[in-house]
Amino acid sequence: RKEVEQDPGPFNVPEGATVAFNCTYSNSASQSFFWYRQDCRKEPKLLMSVYSSGNEDGRFTAQLNRASQYISLLIRDSKLSDSATYLCVVNWGRRALTFGSGTRLQVQP
Amino acid sequence: ETGVTQTPRHLVMGMTNKKSLKCEQHLGHNAMYWYKQSAKKPLELMFVYSLEERVENNSVPSRFSPECPNSSHLFLHLHTLQPEDSALYLCASSQELGQPQHFGDGTRLSIL
Repeated sequence: RKEVEQDPGPFNVPEGATVAFNCTYSNSASQSFFWYRQDCRKEPKLLMSVYSSGNEDGRFTAQLNRASQYISLLIRDSKLSDSATYLCVVNWGRRALTFGSGTRLQVQP
Repeated sequence: ETGVTQTPRHLVMGMTNKKSLKCEQHLGHNAMYWYKQSAKKPLELMFVYSLEERVENNSVPSRFSPECPNSSHLFLHLHTLQPEDSALYLCASSQELGQPQHFGDGTRLSIL
């Protein structure tokens, strides 16, 4: 089983739609969680941390479910500029973060 | 504007060449990392440094040799690479180990 698993997509959605991605992780001792965004042929950039109580940043909402070992990212009112690959990232006390292979989102006009 | 700068941005080299990738971070971070990203694969962690000391080496072939002369600079020395080593090589830094990382733009490496 992969340490961090994501649906590769692509998710093709129209502008204005709401879209959600899930990510599952294998290690129950995982301590911290993040979503990164990576544009085509660019470096990953931190989008948001994920907190136990869930957190929101504008149109983006992140949730954590420790019992089921998954995190989610919800994007409301999708923009064309949201088109990218979204990377789920987990840290279980190792020295470095563990990245999922990403979910590709394509927002269409 | 990224606080992590990588050079060169693109590199084409033959299998017998020796070259080095450079990474510099201007964020005052204590930890630095090298990752490899191949097409349609997740990021693969290669090396981790904390305060100039290598703390992780993930079974990387010896043809890749890292060097961290100080907490702001990280190098990846390359020699006798193979075609399968063609990939995007990303450098990242974080305040401390395990914290969110800031990435450089990467070096796109092609081995002929």
